[in-house]
Amino acid sequence: DGGITQSPKYLFRKEGQNVTLSCEQNLNHDAMYWYRQDPGQGLRLIYYSQIVNDFQKGDIAEGYSVSREKKESFPLTVTSAQKNPTAFYLCASSIYDSGNQPQHFGDGTRLSIL
Amino acid sequence: GQQLNQSPQSMFIQEGEDVSMNCTSSSIFNTWLWYKQDPGEGPVLLIALYKAGELTSNGRLTAQFGITRKDSFLNISASIPSDVGIYFCAGQLTTSGTYKYIFGTGTRLKVLA
Repeated sequence: DGGITQSPKYLFRKEGQNVTLSCEQNLNHDAMYWYRQDPGQGLRLIYYSQIVNDFQKGDIAEGYSVSREKKESFPLTVTSAQKNPTAFYLCASSIYDSGNQPQHFGDGTRLSIL
Repeated sequence: GQQLNQSPQSMFIQEGEDVSMNCTSSSIFNTWLWYKQDPGEGPVLLIALYKAGELTSNGRLTAQFGITRKDSFLNISASIPSDVGIYFCAGQLTTSGTYKYIFGTGTRLKVLA
């Protein structure tokens, strides 16, 4: 089945540690996105990529980094500079033609601090 | 930054009742999307709206793109227990040539059998 796969489902981070969240899609979508979801808030955009080897900062990029070496993959690294990383992280992808194509989401990764 | 006001924040209803929720903004949007999210999972797309005034149905769900392009509503008819979840709206706009979606804060729906 085509879809977006995020892994792991749950992740724990120690102080001062970088962790990487995986996002893979087999929908042949051009654009991929990372969002952060906190209780009672809407989804906030961390980074997005419209094409391979290119990505842009979203609204809350500080403390995060990404790469887009392959069309199918858009991993997110939560660095030690992110002081409040506990959240639910969602990856999404979409076709990128006129820009109004709906985004489709993975099932998320819940990150917690040890 | 741009904001979407989604209301109500939460609602408890009896099974069989109709539900209505809406999103409003001071910004003009090109596209409206409605998603449903179950606990611990990612949002699933319910309805996409592309033109002002557009009214679209998906089973018991109906959504409309407001004429002013600043609002949208979602109705659920004859609710059932599996309608429980969080419903999000998302509006798409163009900023400096970049397409971006803004998400509402969600409406948490609980259905009492």
